[in-house]
Amino acid sequence: SSELTQDPAVSVALGQTVRITCQGDSLRTYYASWYQQKPGQAPVLVIYGKNNRPSGIPDRFSGSSSGNTASLTITGAQAEDEADYYCNSRDSSGNHWVFGGGTKLTVL
Amino acid sequence: QVQLQESGPGLVKPSETLSLTCTVSGYSISNGYYWGWIRQPPGKGLEWIGNIYHSGSTYYNPSLKSRVTLSVDTSKNQFSLKLSSVTAADAAVYYCARPNYGSGTNWFDPWGQGTLVTVSS
Repeated sequence: SSELTQDPAVSVALGQTVRITCQGDSLRTYYASWYQQKPGQAPVLVIYGKNNRPSGIPDRFSGSSSGNTASLTITGAQAEDEADYYCNSRDSSGNHWVFGGGTKLTVL
Repeated sequence: QVQLQESGPGLVKPSETLSLTCTVSGYSISNGYYWGWIRQPPGKGLEWIGNIYHSGSTYYNPSLKSRVTLSVDTSKNQFSLKLSSVTAADAAVYYCARPNYGSGTNWFDPWGQGTLVTVSS
């Protein structure tokens, strides 16, 4: 399967921990990468590989994977974390890239 | 650091060909790496269009493959997207980005700022 499935919306109270998940068969082979997108802006990479953060991404963002599910965890969510989050990986052929449908995170 | 910038017409007529260019600064395309395109219809999610290697080898989204052509111009340090026979469904913000490959992983970084393409007569 070349599909990645995400919950459309998730909410979290300010300062609490939230997990955003991404499911797909290809995640048994490949780690997901994760992107944050705020309205009117280009996506920004926040996690890639097993659990790597690009320079400038706060350490409250972390990634994990188990079976066919990848997760992005925000520990101590901040108001500025309210955004859409997308996962990305490759399909089983390894040649085609695919995005999840996105999760809208609301920080209450 | 590497920066990408999309350019091209913001308005394309139905049935015509959409053409966009991504100019890369801070890195010479001829030195390597893949280069890619992603699009996002208004209010919707991200869709991968395709990747092209600096030598010209390509990988396309199977759902768009029959209409998409990617190319590289190393002399201008640019890569381009052509999407033929466009319809209203092709209206989107188009992003160029650099695909990166690691052991068992892949990611897009950096991204261009995106350019909005409207399809209308």
